[in-house]
Amino acid sequence: DTAVSQTPKYLVTQMGNDKSIKCEQNLGHDTMYWYKQDSKKFLKIMFSYNNKELIINETVPNRFSPKSPDKAHLNLHINSLELGDSAVYFCASSQDVSNEQFFGPGTRLTVL
Amino acid sequence: GDSVTQMEGPVTLSEEAFLTINCTYTATGYPSLFWYVQYPGEGLQLLLKATKADDKGSNKGFEATYRKETTSFHLEKGSVQVSDSAVYFCALSDRNTGRRALTFGSGTRLQVQP
Repeated sequence: DTAVSQTPKYLVTQMGNDKSIKCEQNLGHDTMYWYKQDSKKFLKIMFSYNNKELIINETVPNRFSPKSPDKAHLNLHINSLELGDSAVYFCASSQDVSNEQFFGPGTRLTVL
Repeated sequence: GDSVTQMEGPVTLSEEAFLTINCTYTATGYPSLFWYVQYPGEGLQLLLKATKADDKGSNKGFEATYRKETTSFHLEKGSVQVSDSAVYFCALSDRNTGRRALTFGSGTRLQVQP
């Protein structure tokens, strides 16, 4: 059973396009996250949702819009893709106060 | 704000060598501390954690002790294997802020040679 799943695993697209990445967790967790990992492997939080409500929104361009239809899903929509958006995007979820997070396998986005 | 500093890699060791990856942190409250591991082409997996001072996290032969006095959480393993080759991330979450999101260090690549 996959705990946190993401689709697609790879996404190659042209500059200016709009794309979405989907994330689902079957762990019953209340909180979900999107992280961006750049080419140097540095990981940074982008968004966090708790029970479908946005609780963290770091300094991310408005072109990025998260959507949480229910607490098991957190999708990421990106408008007008730019070269600098190329990265690996990780979804994660957590439940308890020790904040152990479970990560998805990542989506490698390449913008040409 | 919160931050995590890790030693830069890559760290290259021979099999059965002793491993230490240094990690220090800055936080406003009393953070929980984590080590995550990322194998090539995969997502992150929790390796171990510690939630309060003097706690020792351990898993798969790896250990790290939460040292409040030195604000450190160094990762150690007595005898590394080729299969330990991966990128290791130190991270914290600051319960005092209720922020919950993890703040990561820059990652340390470990390469173990046969």
